[in-house]
Amino acid sequence: QQQVKQSPQSLIVQKGGISIINCAYENTAFDYFPWYQQFPGKGPALLIAIRPDVSEKKEGRFTISFNKSAKQFSLHIMDSQPGDSATYFCAVTGGYNKLIFGAGTRLAVHP
Amino acid sequence: DGGITQSPKYLFRKEGQNVTLSCEQNLNHDAMYWYRQDPGQGLRLIYYSQIVNDFQKGDIAEGYSVSREKKESFPLTVTSAQKNPTAFYLCATSGAQTYGYTFGSGTRLTVV
Repeated sequence: QQQVKQSPQSLIVQKGGISIINCAYENTAFDYFPWYQQFPGKGPALLIAIRPDVSEKKEGRFTISFNKSAKQFSLHIMDSQPGDSATYFCAVTGGYNKLIFGAGTRLAVHP
Repeated sequence: DGGITQSPKYLFRKEGQNVTLSCEQNLNHDAMYWYRQDPGQGLRLIYYSQIVNDFQKGDIAEGYSVSREKKESFPLTVTSAQKNPTAFYLCATSGAQTYGYTFGSGTRLTVV
């Protein structure tokens, strides 16, 4: 039972370009939507998160866009840099419950 | 300095051996989790514990065991029944009144 679907599986972007990763969920009870960033050999770290009462949240070059009616949310990385090359996971949860993770997207930003 | 300490960073196991991975936290978080990550793959939940002396199986609990005798500690034992244990193991915690997880830096287990 896959409650969150993440795409694409991998992504190659040129330096300075925009990286876009998408997630779709099924359960309308979810109320917290974080994105995690993981570098090779490290644990994931919280990058940015959003609640369903807003449609967009921006932190520096990172933006979450949230579409409640479509049950989708996406991560946009503006002016992508080689240092952004990592694996990105979306996640969902409802209440103070365990997170359900997407399958991950491997981003490579080429100079 | 609050955080999660996973040890060892690298671990080698011989066929038929049990090994225990350590996860210690000083964040005063109630819930703790163990995930397995295979190369290029996502995170799969092994076990989780929301309170001391209680834990639940995740999606891939077979061949693993845990204990939660203290709030700060949630060790994971990879038993000989786990036929393909080579993977990257991640411990995470979450607070009772907070959302999201804090992850440790992981233990890479290799069968030799």
